[in-house]
Amino acid sequence: AQSVSQHNHHVILSEAASLELGCNYSYGGTVNLFWYVQYPGQHLQLLLKYFSGDPLVKGIKGFEAEFIKSKFSFNLRKPSVQWSDTAEYFCAARNSGGYQKVTFGIGTKLQVIP
Amino acid sequence: DVKVTQSSRYLVKRTGEKVFLECVQDMDHENMFWYRQDPGLGLRLIYFSYDVKMKEKGDIPEGYSVSREKKERFSLILESASTNQTSMYLCASSGRTGGARNIQYFGAGTRLSVL
Repeated sequence: AQSVSQHNHHVILSEAASLELGCNYSYGGTVNLFWYVQYPGQHLQLLLKYFSGDPLVKGIKGFEAEFIKSKFSFNLRKPSVQWSDTAEYFCAARNSGGYQKVTFGIGTKLQVIP
Repeated sequence: DVKVTQSSRYLVKRTGEKVFLECVQDMDHENMFWYRQDPGLGLRLIYFSYDVKMKEKGDIPEGYSVSREKKERFSLILESASTNQTSMYLCASSGRTGGARNIQYFGAGTRLSVL
């Protein structure tokens, strides 16, 4: 079955620390990958996406993610977090083409301490 | 900006009631989705629709039904609400063409409590 796994469920970092959130997917074929973010009290919104091309994708607010096909991974990174990055982060995947549903991971809550 | 509007932010219902959750999007998106979000379980897809009058079961459709009579509106129906359906319900929409294709835009959510 198609699934998305996020390894870290709750991460606490100090400001300026580096961040890496793990995401692995189990899909056959060509896959579209996403990271969504939910800031406290706000809607879920897209952080970045990978459809094809350069496996290193850049998103909003200095986030980036690297698609490694051989590892079925799409880890999210940021070199230096800020208190305003405190949020819940969701990795998601879908098979490309057609009427395909999206599967989300269970989310990682990031708490950044000033 | 894409807007996905859910009719209620908070709802309290009694066990056995029929509950309607409404969602409207203003971007002419073909695809619409209903999820429930629970702590420790993330987002789980209940139903999705890729066109008017079309619907597909997601991962947890039991106890729910949906209706899509107009392109902009997607309704989630709890036929007989139960306490285990207490949750946050999120509606989303996405288009199938253009640079923003397959990016989901979410509503603010409806927090449903079933007593």
